[in-house]
Amino acid sequence: EAQVTQNPRYLITVTGKKLTVTCSQNMNHEYMSWYRQDPGLGLRQIYYSMNVEVTDKGDVPEGYKVSRKEKRNFPLILESPSPNQTSLYFCASSHGSDIQYFGAGTRLSVL
Amino acid sequence: ILNVEQSPQSLHVQEGDSTNFTCSFPSSNFYALHWYRWETAKSPEALFVMTLNGDEKKKGRISATLNTKEGYSYLYIKGSQPEDSATYLCAPDFNKFYFGSGTKLNVKP
Repeated sequence: EAQVTQNPRYLITVTGKKLTVTCSQNMNHEYMSWYRQDPGLGLRQIYYSMNVEVTDKGDVPEGYKVSRKEKRNFPLILESPSPNQTSLYFCASSHGSDIQYFGAGTRLSVL
Repeated sequence: ILNVEQSPQSLHVQEGDSTNFTCSFPSSNFYALHWYRWETAKSPEALFVMTLNGDEKKKGRISATLNTKEGYSYLYIKGSQPEDSATYLCAPDFNKFYFGSGTKLNVKP
């Protein structure tokens, strides 16, 4: 089954404790992306990757890191999480400019 | 930051009504315009990807048009059903994606 898998689905952590949210897709997509969704603000792009070893900043990259060492994986790293990073996070993938397939989401709370 | 506006913010209609929403965006240098449907507690699902000026796409009772020169797209739903209740998002693709805040549709039986 074609899918984008994010883990974990829910995470509660404390300020400053490094965390990684994993994202994996099995569709051989070149393009992968991370978004955050906050009430009243819609989806905002954090980082995107057009292919392996190619990453670029989205609209709200501050406080986040990504890597794309393999085509299928695109982890999101929060080196020192802060409460303003409490949000719902989505990973997505696509073939170029074609439709994006979204993961199920990761709800993160930073205390 | 690029401004993508969707209107209306929310819409309440009766079952069987037809409705439409607007997505406005800067008209230059984008690769495609995406429409997504997002139900509560689920992930966004793609409806359409549109690339050409004057493009019109249809999926069942839902259709969309695109005007690249003036920077807008319309989404139409004919004969709304309760299962159409969702938030509808648009996003122009500049390699970076800029999503609008969405139009929240509620269809009453």
